[in-house]
Formats: sequence, structure tokens, C-alpha cells
Amino acid sequence: DARVTQTPRHKVTEMGQEVTMRCQPILGHNTVFWYRQTMMQGLELLAYFRNRAPLDDSGMPKDRFSAEMPDATLATLKIQPSEPRDSAVYFCASGLIGGTYNSPLHFGNGTRLTVT
Amino acid sequence: DAKTTQPNSMESNEEEPVHLPCNHSTISGTDYIHWYRQLPSQGPEYVIHGLTSNVNNRMASLAIAEDRKSSTLILHRATLRDAAVYYCILRDGSFGNEKLTFGTGTRLTIIP
Repeated sequence: DARVTQTPRHKVTEMGQEVTMRCQPILGHNTVFWYRQTMMQGLELLAYFRNRAPLDDSGMPKDRFSAEMPDATLATLKIQPSEPRDSAVYFCASGLIGGTYNSPLHFGNGTRLTVT
Repeated sequence: DAKTTQPNSMESNEEEPVHLPCNHSTISGTDYIHWYRQLPSQGPEYVIHGLTSNVNNRMASLAIAEDRKSSTLILHRATLRDAAVYYCILRDGSFGNEKLTFGTGTRLTIIP
């Protein structure tokens, strides 16, 4: 089965450090989503891309978060500088979306980020 | 985004059917009803979706009310592996508006 791959699975860092999370979407999928999950807020959509172009990043704190797709096989989410409140599990998902067809989303197993 | 209402938690005995309800009284004509589940320490996983008619797949069945204001996810024979949080989500089928907005879901506990 094709899978969305996220690295690293776990990251512990100190406040103020830069954090980069990576996602390899399923080959052929044209839309990539970044979600964040915490106990208090549940699953929140941060941003998503179609054909590598950002469509919506309204859920993302702009001052410290940035999301990019350098190529079709890699999506990155960066936090600089990181803060303890950024501690969460970050999920990447991909899907094939276009016209009248919207495939289900396939999620990775997440990056668990702890900022001390 | 149109919202859904689900019970916070449910319990079911192993090897028995499970009916997970979802209310979505403000559903629009272009909203598809999607169900995802999240097993412990994993990302959400697609279960099933439908628009108006009932749907079956290898994982579950989806029963949609005639007025589309509610739906029920049916697991025909629950196993311990089905213990998860189940999310009922309305996903707009219009092009360019297909993101998933998750609520709090129903935490399903399976009793051996």
C-alpha cells in the first residue's frame, strides 16, 4: 500500500530552536495538507497546497510557521523560533483532487514535537 | 463549515454490531458525509463516505437519512482493533473547497 511518510517521528527541542518537519506525499497525489493535533484543540488544519501552490494557510501562525513544497515529492513545515505551545503532533495528508473527483485523504503517522 | 454532532464516547462488546450516530442538520447540497477513524498513535484513516445513498465497503456501512440531516456508521462485527476515535465530517464537493474540518469525534471502546 502507498503511504504518506513523515519524518522525524519524534522531535524534542528547546525553545527558540528551528524545527523542520518533512512529508513525502503519495506519488500522484496533487494536494497536500498539514494538520496539528493537541489535546485541547483537537485536529486543526494549518495549511494546504495543490500542485505545490499554497491554497490556504489561514490556520497557520504566520510569524513563526512556514510551509513549502520544494518539489512534488516533498512538503516541509518549519517553525522558527519554536515555543513550548507548539508542542503537538503534526500530521501531513495527501489526496488527488480535481474536477468532480475528490479522493479520500491519506494521513501519515505524524511528527510528535516537544518544545521544552 | 457545516457542523456535525457526535456522542463523545460509546462502548460496544466485541463481535457485536456498532452503530455510531452523527447529526448534521445544516448540511448543504454539495456536502459529502465522510467518516475517518484514528487509532491510538496513528494518523486518521479513511473509513467511508457518501452523498445521498447508503454505502457499503469492506470496513463498514454508511446509512444516510432521507433528509440527509443525520447518518450512522455501522461496524458489522466489532473487533478490538476497531477501538478508535471516529470522526464524522462534512466535506464540500465543490472544487477548491475540499478540506476536512475535524470535530471532536466519538471515542469507541470495545469490550472483550
